[in-house]
Parts: sequence; structure tokens; C-alpha cells
Amino acid sequence: QKEVEQNSGPLSVPEGAIASLNCTYSDRGSQSFFWYRQYSGKSPELIMSIYSNGDKEDGRFTAQLNKASQYVSLLIRDSQPSDSATYLCAVNIWSTPLVFGKGTRLSVIA
Amino acid sequence: DAGITQSPRHKVTETGTPVTLRCHQTENHRYMYWYRQDPGHGLRLIHYSYGVKDTDKGEVSDGYSVSRSKTEDFLLTLESATSSQTSVYFCAISETQNTEAFFGQGTRLTVV
Repeated sequence: QKEVEQNSGPLSVPEGAIASLNCTYSDRGSQSFFWYRQYSGKSPELIMSIYSNGDKEDGRFTAQLNKASQYVSLLIRDSQPSDSATYLCAVNIWSTPLVFGKGTRLSVIA
Repeated sequence: DAGITQSPRHKVTETGTPVTLRCHQTENHRYMYWYRQDPGHGLRLIHYSYGVKDTDKGEVSDGYSVSRSKTEDFLLTLESATSSQTSVYFCAISETQNTEAFFGQGTRLTVV
């Protein structure tokens, strides 16, 4: 069974700090990894995708993938109150749709 | 934003009635998905489609059926709605099975 695990939070960080969100997955055949942000009452919005080991940076966001340890993380630098949302980790392997974690709720305190 | 439109956006229906939700895309993506989202369960796959008339079941497919007669439209039908199907339903699309998926606005369904 494919599983994607995230700490449900809430994770509270002060404004300007680095928020670190983690995700582990069970299937070693997993190939593609995604982070989505979801504001309350809204649909998930893609913020990062990562396909190979290492770091991928996009603005204030950095995704980190370690396939040997089966985890993927998302760092948010200079966190802002507008970053307060639920962050969903999603994983797929060849020929199967995305499997989502239950999400981590992030609260950035001004 | 990806061109994905879900309709209706909100619906209240009675137990035992059939309900159809529609997802329409303008991106010409091959893959389309229906997920439901419930507190404590996250997003769970109901059904998906990998082409016109090609569909497959997901994790929570019981009580649901789907149809895709055109590339742009993917319909989700609750054959006889139950209170356990009260949820938020999201349609998503992707170009391939392994690339990012984009979500529609969601449909909030309440079964009373």
C-alpha cells in the first residue's frame, strides 16, 4: 500500500523565520514528488515539483528530496503570514495517480 | 491558471437521489481525476481517466461511477447519494501520469 505521511501540525513559526515541512513515503518506486499549498476553503495549488535527489529552489521555497531515506521536505524562507495554509505532499510512481499526505497546517505568527 | 471548471460549486441533495458532478478542462490534458477531501482523511482518489472512454477505480470508488465521452469533460455520478458522501470533491488534470496535477475549484456536496 502506498502511504505518504506528514505531521498534521499545526506548525507555528514567527514571521521571517524558516518553516520546515517534512514528508515520508513508503514506496521505493516513487518517482515524482510535489508540494501543494491549500488555503482554507480553496483548492490545492502546486508550489513545487521535484524529480531527482537534492535540492530545488524557487524563490523563497526549497524542496529537498532524499530517495534513499524516502523523504521529501519543503523549506520556506522568510515566512510571511500569507504563507499560513495547509501544505500537502504528493507522490506518485510510474502508472499510478498521485497519492497525497493528509497535510501539515502552517501558521506564521506576525 | 489551468482551465478547469467544476459544476456545480455547491449542491445539497437528499439521500437516495443520483447526483452528477461535472469537470470541464480547456488544456487538452490526457489525464483527469476525481478526488474527495474530508477532515482527517486528506485527498483520496475516487476514479481517474487516462483517455476518452478509459477510466479506472481509485481508493474510494464504491458508490461512484464516472464517464468521459470527450477529452474535455469528466463526469462523476453518485448513483444513490448517502450521507457518507457529503464531502468536497475536486477534479484534477495532468498531461502525463508522472507530472504535476492541477486542481479545479471544488464542489461542496451535502447529502441530507
